[in-house]
Amino acid sequence: EAQVTQNPRYLITVTGKKLTVTCSQNMNHEYMSWYRQDPGLGLRQIYYSMNVEVTDKGDVPEGYKVSRKEKRNFPLILESPSPNQTSLYFCASSSPKGYEQYFGPGTRLTVT
Amino acid sequence: QKEVEQNSGPLSVPEGAIASLNCTYSDRGSQSFFWYRQYSGKSPELIMSIYSNGDKEDGRFTAQLNKASQYVSLLIRDSQPSDSATYLCAVNDGYGQNFVFGPGTRLSVLP
Repeated sequence: EAQVTQNPRYLITVTGKKLTVTCSQNMNHEYMSWYRQDPGLGLRQIYYSMNVEVTDKGDVPEGYKVSRKEKRNFPLILESPSPNQTSLYFCASSSPKGYEQYFGPGTRLTVT
Repeated sequence: QKEVEQNSGPLSVPEGAIASLNCTYSDRGSQSFFWYRQYSGKSPELIMSIYSNGDKEDGRFTAQLNKASQYVSLLIRDSQPSDSATYLCAVNDGYGQNFVFGPGTRLSVLP
């Protein structure tokens, strides 16, 4: 089954404790993105990657890091999480043929 | 700053009616336009994409694009209660993977 998976699905952590949210896709897509979704603000793109070792900032990259060492994986790293990073995070992938994105199930992060 | 605007709703329509969802965007260079449906607590799901001016129909859904007016809309014919969800409009410049989403319109279809 074609899918995008994220782990963990739920995470509660404390300010400053480094964390990684993993994202993996099995569709051999070149493109992958990370978004955060907040009430009233919609989905905002954090980072995206157009291929292995190629990443670029989206609209809200501050406080986040990403890496793309393998085509299927695109982890999101929060080196020093802060409460304003409490949000619902989605990973997405797409192929170059179109720009239709397929989203993972989401990760709900709470930073206290 | 590229912006995509939508009425937040809720938009309420009776079952069987046509639901009309609207979206405007600020970047004239935008080339690709998408409508996603998001049920409460779920991830967004692509329902329509449109790349050129005019109408594009898929089943009960019709997307309409007017680049001169920087306007894209989604019509849902014969609305069903199962269509009740938040509809997200997304825009891309057609050259990369930088997407801008609107805040979404919440649609409620009343039985």
